[in-house]
Amino acid sequence: AQKITQTQPGMFVQEKEAVTLDCTYDTSDQSYGLFWYKQPSSGEMIFLIYQGSYDEQNATEGRYSLNFQKARKSANLVISASQLGDSAMYFCAMREGRGTSYDKVIFGPGTSLSVIP
Amino acid sequence: GAVVSQHPSRVICKSGTSVKIECRSLDFQATTMFWYRQFPKQSLMLMATSNEGSKATYEQGVEKDKFLINHASLTLSTLTVTSAHPEDSSFYICSAREGLGANVLTFGAGSRLTVL
Repeated sequence: AQKITQTQPGMFVQEKEAVTLDCTYDTSDQSYGLFWYKQPSSGEMIFLIYQGSYDEQNATEGRYSLNFQKARKSANLVISASQLGDSAMYFCAMREGRGTSYDKVIFGPGTSLSVIP
Repeated sequence: GAVVSQHPSRVICKSGTSVKIECRSLDFQATTMFWYRQFPKQSLMLMATSNEGSKATYEQGVEKDKFLINHASLTLSTLTVTSAHPEDSSFYICSAREGLGANVLTFGAGSRLTVL
């Protein structure tokens, strides 16, 4: 069963505007972590932001913030002041486990973001 | 920060041959590495977890005899695609965590395999 859902296969945003990319997840674990990665056309995976399940505050990293709603099992990514270089695939991912190096990370289907000049 | 090097970045081979892909952690030791596979316009699918000094753990549906994983040292894991066929053409990408308590996976740049 799919554990990460990203309902927006493609999104468009005007340059300098903010955009929200949706992510919902399913897990029975109490301890887990949520990530967002960016994949430009070159194929490299770029880490953007991390949220632990026990973190009380929403994570922020520069223009990226993660809107974590634990009860709803959602972890939406907000990109503020979009730039042309933000055009890429964005993947939501989840780590299940006890925080060991063996913990697997599974990825959602991704959202393709296009920033329009 | 942590750097994972992956080689080769691109490889083209004939059907029936074997291809080896290397994944190195450059400035940290990685007891565990993860191998993913990505088809065009699709997500990353975990193939296997590579454990230093022991056998790899494969995900359901991944043929262990076809995708041989060796993690001989704390900084090197290799994926060998044996008797490759056109359907094995894909983007293979490895990743590792820096440190036992680290959460973030650092990825290699990926290897694009084309089997003719």
